Amino acid sequence: AQTVTQSQPEMSVQEAETVTLSCTYDTSESDYYLFWYKQPPSRQMILVIRQEAYKQQNATENRFSVNFQKAAKSFSLKISDSQLGDAAMYFCAYRSVNDMRFGAGTRLTVKP
Amino acid sequence: DTAVSQTPKYLVTQMGNDKSIKCEQNLGHDTMYWYKQDSKKFLKIMFSYNNKELIINETVPNRFSPKSPDKAHLNLHINSLELGDSAVYFCASSLRTSGKFFGPGTRLTVL
Repeated sequence: AQTVTQSQPEMSVQEAETVTLSCTYDTSESDYYLFWYKQPPSRQMILVIRQEAYKQQNATENRFSVNFQKAAKSFSLKISDSQLGDAAMYFCAYRSVNDMRFGAGTRLTVKP
Repeated sequence: DTAVSQTPKYLVTQMGNDKSIKCEQNLGHDTMYWYKQDSKKFLKIMFSYNNKELIINETVPNRFSPKSPDKAHLNLHINSLELGDSAVYFCASSLRTSGKFFGPGTRLTVL
């Protein structure tokens, strides 16, 4: 079965600085998708960014970008110019045709 | 214009009761899911339905039963509730290759 590992239970960053959240996954599939979700205290799950495995170019959404290393099965999330509103739980997720798995999450604290 | 809605948002009940959580999506998605988020914030998939057919059924007690009357609805029935069932339950929907859209979650507390 596919697994998703987030090795950092907690991270903190100073406001306006950059932070990188790590994620690794295990799969034998060739066609899959990777996602980062944000869960603020409101509990709502918000899709932050997605990456298709067949694309070599790293996805970018405003201040959020990923470093996708397919051979290493690594999918890290970089948040630039961190803002107080970025404080949340961040979940890395893997999806193939009929399966989707989440990592255990990383709690990000943003210090003013 | 809510995309994925769940009712109720909060559910407090006694052990042994039977309860249901409803989920509806108006996005035209063909796949719906139920996730359980425990006290440690870990998200675990429970069920997945594609076009009303069950495609993922993780190892959950058979007290939990999903019901999908149509592609836009996936309800979760829980019989004989136990203390360990207390958690936040998320419904989600997606198309085949898209990311999921999640509902707001239902916080279930079993006393």
